[in-house]
Amino acid sequence: NAGVTQTPKFQVLKTGQSMTLQCAQDMNHEYMSWYRQDPGMGLRLIHYSVGAGITDQGEVPNGYNVSRSTTEDFPLRLLSAAPSQTSVYFCASRVGQNYGYTFGSGTRLTVV
Amino acid sequence: GESVGLHLPTLSVQEGDNSIINCAYSNSASDYFIWYKQESGKGPQFIIDIRSNMDKRQGQRVTVLLNKTVKHLSLQIAATQPGDSAVYFCAENMGYGNKLVFGAGTILRVKS
Repeated sequence: NAGVTQTPKFQVLKTGQSMTLQCAQDMNHEYMSWYRQDPGMGLRLIHYSVGAGITDQGEVPNGYNVSRSTTEDFPLRLLSAAPSQTSVYFCASRVGQNYGYTFGSGTRLTVV
Repeated sequence: GESVGLHLPTLSVQEGDNSIINCAYSNSASDYFIWYKQESGKGPQFIIDIRSNMDKRQGQRVTVLLNKTVKHLSLQIAATQPGDSAVYFCAENMGYGNKLVFGAGTILRVKS
């Protein structure tokens, strides 16, 4: 199993550009989440999903959209990038509610 | 509600000593808790978890203690090693929303 795969690993965007961060898992996990981590800080939940077709907002959802059309994929869309969205983005999946998340290796995004 | 710290506290211990990392969680309805370890440049790694119907759980060299009365979680690492140096996060699963929310984190530095 590859686990949780995130692409790209690094990205530089200009303010106002849009892009999609990709996340795929091959463990047949129902739950998936996106977190952002700013330097020297903890992880903040952006959006999460408890199954295909079901998504919900986390702590910091503004400026981001998600969809979950398949169990395997959970892309995160930045609608109009802003410098405040410069961060490291982690995707994670877990088999169910009372289980730990497996994390991807992250996407380091810089918005200039 | 959830909060993110502006900086991470640091715990420095001598190699071979025991480490205790503390975490105050926010929601009395949280039913599942996890400790994660994050090394520089990597995604968080699962260490140990505990459900709300337990007050103690042991793993290999690690023990998690849960005090629901004061909403406090601790991670004890026995015979701390240089490889334990990392940032440690606690996370709580907010049962009503199936959200896994992270605390601010603690930096553990092991001195040889």
